[in-house]
Amino acid sequence: HSALTQPASVSGSPGQSITISCTGTSSDIGDYNYVSWYQQNPGKAPKLILYEVNNRPSGVPHRFSGSKSDNTASLTISGLQAEDEADYYCSSYRTTTTSHVVFGGGTRLTVL
Amino acid sequence: QLHLQESGPGLVKPSETLSLTCAVSGGSIGRSSSYWGWVRQPPGKGLEWIGSIYYSGSTHYNPSLKSRLTISAVTSKNQFYLKLNTVTATDTAVYFCVTGTAFEAFDIWGQGTMVTVSS
Repeated sequence: HSALTQPASVSGSPGQSITISCTGTSSDIGDYNYVSWYQQNPGKAPKLILYEVNNRPSGVPHRFSGSKSDNTASLTISGLQAEDEADYYCSSYRTTTTSHVVFGGGTRLTVL
Repeated sequence: QLHLQESGPGLVKPSETLSLTCAVSGGSIGRSSSYWGWVRQPPGKGLEWIGSIYYSGSTHYNPSLKSRLTISAVTSKNQFYLKLNTVTATDTAVYFCVTGTAFEAFDIWGQGTMVTVSS
């Protein structure tokens, strides 16, 4: 049971656009613009691809974008490429009795 | 370029303490506004944030692990540490050390180290 809810899998063909959702609560995504997204290839460490909802670290292609509405954040990949096939995780700042970080369960992206 | 490297025992017995070290190179753990933390990933499963230590020394822990967890740092060695007490098989995971200038965004990761809890 993960703190944030993501679909287990999504797929798309090269050139298409896909969106991965990440649903939280009013204690995390709903109340803060501190949502990050990570890409993880098999056997590798995750790589930060978006932070603060829609900011890209240096070197991340513009094809990756993020958005947020109420308690749900979304990652969109436009112009899908074979190399985008990976696992994607969202995370968010959360406050309850303490400040901490929560992750989603991860989404496996398959490029058909 | 900042580089993180985890080290520690790959096998820990149930009820004992899991201890890991993260060695930092290419920059100082005392640099302003930096968080240094740990994330783990059980085999075939998702990521779990363990906790972080701020450059000033303040710590933040996952509430579900807080009672068993200590994260510390030694600036002179440019290293930070994870200690998790009373481990069980559910603590078996790849443990990553991470850093970033934001509490919740980790832009640099170590390669990860596998820790198995088993007798």
